[in-house]
Amino acid sequence: EDKVVQSPLSLVVHEGDTVTLNCSYEVTNFRSLLWYKQEKKAPTFLFMLTSSGIEKKSGRLSSILDKKELFSILNITATQTGDSAIYLCAVARGTSYGKLTFGQGTILTVHP
Amino acid sequence: DVKVTQSSRYLVKRTGEKVFLECVQDMDHENMFWYRQDPGLGLRLIYFSYDVKMKEKGDIPEGYSVSREKKERFSLILESASTNQTSMYLCASRAGGASNEQFFGPGTRLTVL
Repeated sequence: EDKVVQSPLSLVVHEGDTVTLNCSYEVTNFRSLLWYKQEKKAPTFLFMLTSSGIEKKSGRLSSILDKKELFSILNITATQTGDSAIYLCAVARGTSYGKLTFGQGTILTVHP
Repeated sequence: DVKVTQSSRYLVKRTGEKVFLECVQDMDHENMFWYRQDPGLGLRLIYFSYDVKMKEKGDIPEGYSVSREKKERFSLILESASTNQTSMYLCASRAGGASNEQFFGPGTRLTVL
């Protein structure tokens, strides 16, 4: 059975802090790992990672994958109140019509 | 931009009622998915469809069925709603091919009394 575990489950920080969110996985025939951000609406896509060691960046957000140790991290630098959201990690198998297995999510709260 | 719409944002039903949740995508995507989201459990896959009239069970299909008669529309049916089906329901679509990115609708918060 595929398994995706995120940590921490919740995190409270102040604006300007840097946060690191973790995602570990056990999946047969791994294809890719995806990060989503969910505010009070539809999850929105952040990154898709398929290769180890290649950092993906978008503004203050960055993510990297380690396929040997089976985990990914999502970093957010200089956090803002608009970063408050649930961050979801999901893993796709190679032969599954794109089915994703999600972790529990990390609830990030950024205080002014 | 891909748009995935769901028929209702909020829905309140009574135990035993038949409930239909509708999802429509406008980008000719091959694959469509239904998830439910509960606190502490993340998103769990109920059913998915890889083509018109084709469907497969996800991880938690019990108590649900689906219908995909047209490519753009994927319906989730609760045959006889129960209180433990109170949840947020999210629909998603995927183009197919190499990308695993799924595009999500805004969700339907269903309460079963």
